Amino acid sequence: AQTIHQWPVAEIKAVGSPLSLGCTIKGKSSPNLYWYWQATGGTLQQLFYSITVGQVESVVQLNLSASRPKDDQFILSTEKLLLSHSGFYLCAWSLAGEDTQYFGPGTRLLVL
Amino acid sequence: QQQVRQSPQSLTVWEGETAILNCSYENSAFDYFPWYQQFPGEGPALLIAIRSVSDKKEDGRFTIFFNKREKKLSLHITDSQPGDSATYFCAARGGGGNNKLTFGQGTVLSVIP
Repeated sequence: AQTIHQWPVAEIKAVGSPLSLGCTIKGKSSPNLYWYWQATGGTLQQLFYSITVGQVESVVQLNLSASRPKDDQFILSTEKLLLSHSGFYLCAWSLAGEDTQYFGPGTRLLVL
Repeated sequence: QQQVRQSPQSLTVWEGETAILNCSYENSAFDYFPWYQQFPGEGPALLIAIRSVSDKKEDGRFTIFFNKREKKLSLHITDSQPGDSATYFCAARGGGGNNKLTFGQGTVLSVIP
């Protein structure tokens, strides 16, 4: 059974439109959660992290926001997409006090 | 500022050979170095990791050699297989409290049968 689920799998959106990406972790209690962005053929850049419900820290400003409404859910969103938002969005989790981060399958976003 | 650098950008080896992927870093506070393997269209998967207190970590065909003084590490893949063809990312974590991983640009490995 997959521990981490991301939705949607892929999106094609227009510039200026809103966006909401989701991530759900199953079977892990109070995980640390992370959002990463990866340009096509590029490296991974951490965007946000959260250690508990309702608490999200921003690492990089990219006109995006994140929220953690439930212990097992992490949401990435924006009200107005830019062309530069295109890429691969990855959610990751780790257990508190442990080093390893585990990545989800990702969401491919194309902004036109 | 590129805090984690990888070389080469791409590497091609024959099946059965040893592939050597290099990584260097600038921040002395980095204390944990995972290597991730990523196939096209998938999320990265942890391959092997090392802490800065160790100089070597082995797991099957994968070995990390770590030189703290020179701020360098390398991933050795012995007996390379076509299924090892993927992009490999070196990452580093500093003591910033957010468990932030800084990734290198990746090395694309191709293993020819």
